[in-house]
Amino acid sequence: AQSVSQHNHHVILSEAASLELGCNYSYGGTVNLFWYVQYPGQHLQLLLKYFSGDPLVKGIKGFEAEFIKSKFSFNLRKPSVQWSDTAEYFCAVIFNNAGNMLTFGGGTRLMVKP
Amino acid sequence: GAVVSQHPSWVICKSGTSVKIECRSLDFQATTMFWYRQFPKQSLMLMATSNEGSKATYEQGVEKDKFLINHASLTLSTLTVTSAHPEDSSFYICSARDSAGVVEQYFGPGTRLTVT
Repeated sequence: AQSVSQHNHHVILSEAASLELGCNYSYGGTVNLFWYVQYPGQHLQLLLKYFSGDPLVKGIKGFEAEFIKSKFSFNLRKPSVQWSDTAEYFCAVIFNNAGNMLTFGGGTRLMVKP
Repeated sequence: GAVVSQHPSWVICKSGTSVKIECRSLDFQATTMFWYRQFPKQSLMLMATSNEGSKATYEQGVEKDKFLINHASLTLSTLTVTSAHPEDSSFYICSARDSAGVVEQYFGPGTRLTVT
């Protein structure tokens, strides 16, 4: 069955540290890939998305993600995190045989220590 | 642009009563809306896909008679939790896809339901 997995459930970093959150999916066909962020008490916001083209996509707030098709991965990165990046991060995938249905990963809770 | 609202944002009801949650796309038309459920510290689980003018498509394990979905217009979908029980307490989130054909979904702020 198609699935999305985020291996890091909880990540704690100090400010200015670099961040990489893993996202893998299981599906051999075409995908659309998304990263969402949910700040405490707020709703989901789109950080970035990949549909086609350059596999390195840049999003808001200094985030970027790289689609590596051979590894079925779409990892999220940020070179230097800030305390305000404390939030939960969700990877989501639309599998092309599933209409427009988003399948979410389990989420990664990031805490950045000031 | 692309704002989705939900009402109410928070509701407490007694066991056995029904609760209606509204999801509105404020500045675009949405042929398709989605309803998710999020338990504390967990990810979003898709409950159903709501299509304007037709019956909703429910995911496996979601009781369609308990979670009634109506998508009566291109800007409004409602989720009614019938005969609510404490185990229905959760965070319900809707999203909407622009009818213009963009794949991206826009999320509402969510509704926290507590059943006592």
